[in-house]
Amino acid sequence: SQKIEQNSEALNIQEGKTATLTCNYTNYSPAYLQWYRQDPGRGPVFLLLIRENEKEKRKERLKVTFDTTLKQSLFHITASQPADSATYLCALDDNFNKFYFGSGTKLNVKP
Amino acid sequence: NAGVTQTPKFQVLKTGQSMTLQCAQDMNHNSMYWYRQDPGMGLRLIYYSASEGTTDKGEVPNGYNVSRLNKREFSLRLESAAPSQTSVYFCASSAGLAIGNEQFFGPGTRLTVL
Repeated sequence: SQKIEQNSEALNIQEGKTATLTCNYTNYSPAYLQWYRQDPGRGPVFLLLIRENEKEKRKERLKVTFDTTLKQSLFHITASQPADSATYLCALDDNFNKFYFGSGTKLNVKP
Repeated sequence: NAGVTQTPKFQVLKTGQSMTLQCAQDMNHNSMYWYRQDPGMGLRLIYYSASEGTTDKGEVPNGYNVSRLNKREFSLRLESAAPSQTSVYFCASSAGLAIGNEQFFGPGTRLTVL
């Protein structure tokens, strides 16, 4: 069965450092992968999309990589700020219009 | 622009009761989705609607029904609620099912079934 794994343990880092979150998947060959941010009590908000033929995508302080051989995506936030504290979800499709989300990794950025 | 709205925000039901969760979007999106989110489980797709007049099952459809009333509205019905349906329910919409369309989520409905 399809499976997406994100580190369930919270990631605690100091302000100004780079946060790196991991998304691993099995039994998929997704055409693309998305990253979302979710704050407590709110719905997820889209951040970035990366396609299978793209190795890396950047948006301001965010960077996403996609390694289809390793079946892994890495999500980086550089120069992290306390306002970046949230849960980050990865999502991908199964090429049949069904979307699957990971359970998310909670990021805590300490001042 | 309200985006995606959901009602109600909170609901408590007794086992066996029925209810309908309402969702509406004002972005002229073709596709709409219903997810549930449980601790440690992530978001799981219940049903989706690719376009007005069509609905399809997602990963966890049992115990639910949906109606795509028009392009704007997509409702989720629990005919006979069970404690296992205690969850947070999110509605989402996107421009279409084409690859890469971002999904826009509503604020969620927190449902407790006693």
